[in-house]
Amino acid sequence: EAQVTQNPRYLITVTGKKLTVTCSQNMNHEYMSWYRQDPGLGLRQIYYSMNVEVTDKGDVPEGYKVSRKEKRNFPLILESPSPNQTSLYFCASSFLPNYNEQFFGPGTRLTVL
Amino acid sequence: AQSVTQPDIHITVSEGASLELRCNYSYGATPYLFWYVQSPGQGLQLLLKYFSGDTLVQGIKGFEAEFKRSQSSFNLRKPSVHWSDAAEYFCAVGAGGGNKLTFGTGTQLKVEL
Repeated sequence: EAQVTQNPRYLITVTGKKLTVTCSQNMNHEYMSWYRQDPGLGLRQIYYSMNVEVTDKGDVPEGYKVSRKEKRNFPLILESPSPNQTSLYFCASSFLPNYNEQFFGPGTRLTVL
Repeated sequence: AQSVTQPDIHITVSEGASLELRCNYSYGATPYLFWYVQSPGQGLQLLLKYFSGDTLVQGIKGFEAEFKRSQSSFNLRKPSVHWSDAAEYFCAVGAGGGNKLTFGTGTQLKVEL
């Protein structure tokens, strides 16, 4: 089944404790992206990647890191999480160019205490 | 920079009634436009998209949207709403080149039986 998977789905952590949210897609998509969703703000792009070893900042990259060492994986790293990073995070992927459908993962709900 | 406005935060309609969700965009060139739906606890699913050509586009689940360049709008419509359509709906605009997708803040649809 074609899909985007994220792990974990739920995570409660404490300020400053490094964490990684994994994202994997099995559709051989070149493009992958991370978004955060907050009430009243919709989805905002954190980082995106056009292909392996090619990443770039979205609208809200502060406090996040990403890597793209393999085409299928695009982990999101929070080196020192803070409470304002409590949010719902979505990974998405698509073929390029020209915005073929972006497939979204099921989301990761992160709480930073 | 591109932007999207969804002026209605919440909309309530009766089952069987018609629906129109508003979306206005700002972008200097011809935009790529999308409507996504998010059911409770789920990721986002693409309803329909507009790249060029016919300004009335058909999507899944009986939805359609009309691109009006003069009004910078891309409103979503459905002639008869079903209870299962209750969800949050997001309009999004993309720039050419496949590197950025900007979402609106969403419209929460409630369907009364």
